[in-house]
Amino acid sequence: DGGITQSPKYLFRKEGQNVTLSCEQNLNHDAMYWYRQDPGQGLRLIYYSQIVNDFQKGDIAEGYSVSREKKESFPLTVTSAQKNPTAFYLCATKGQAETQYFGPGTRLLVL
Amino acid sequence: AQSVTQLDSHVSVSEGTPVLLRCNYSSSYSPSLFWYVQHPNKGLQLLLKYTSAATLVKGINGFEAEFKKSETSFHLTKPSAHMSDAAEYFCVVNLLGAGGTSYGKLTFGQGTILTVHP
Repeated sequence: DGGITQSPKYLFRKEGQNVTLSCEQNLNHDAMYWYRQDPGQGLRLIYYSQIVNDFQKGDIAEGYSVSREKKESFPLTVTSAQKNPTAFYLCATKGQAETQYFGPGTRLLVL
Repeated sequence: AQSVTQLDSHVSVSEGTPVLLRCNYSSSYSPSLFWYVQHPNKGLQLLLKYTSAATLVKGINGFEAEFKKSETSFHLTKPSAHMSDAAEYFCVVNLLGAGGTSYGKLTFGQGTILTVHP
């Protein structure tokens, strides 16, 4: 996961609260991705961005929002509309030959 | 539609014995295929990738995988398991559209948890 940082490592959300997960990269990659991981379900794509100021919904975008104002940063906001936010969230970038590289993850828990 | 299936949710081996983690894929076009490993509460680390070059791919930590188009398989193997290999492994395929165009999206298998006994 070198070159990709995610913070915080653990995040606690209260009911009705929006929280933002940080993802920063210094790999100079154009494309960035957010995944959600639940036990026994593999990884599911939330949002992705192929280039600055552009992003697309993935398979489970409801209740989430993103922005891509800088190449290095792709923050994910978990809104109050996401009714089951408890999960492990992984950010990734895409390098050559369609290879994706992952950050260390953020575990989100609901109080 | 493109998909990837990991045939075993759990595999248990003894230290020093061979490892086989099975993966089958479904794709209309020749895909790019990957194996990633994830240790508890960590991100995913790339083990190896197949991108239409040699069908036998060697990766890190002694792992290798063979792409078999006729069987639509990409099984992961290692001759001798080590305690540090205990982790969850994901087989991943690159999503392709018409004409083999890549959308830059990956499809993940459900994962195989590898347990290594002393």
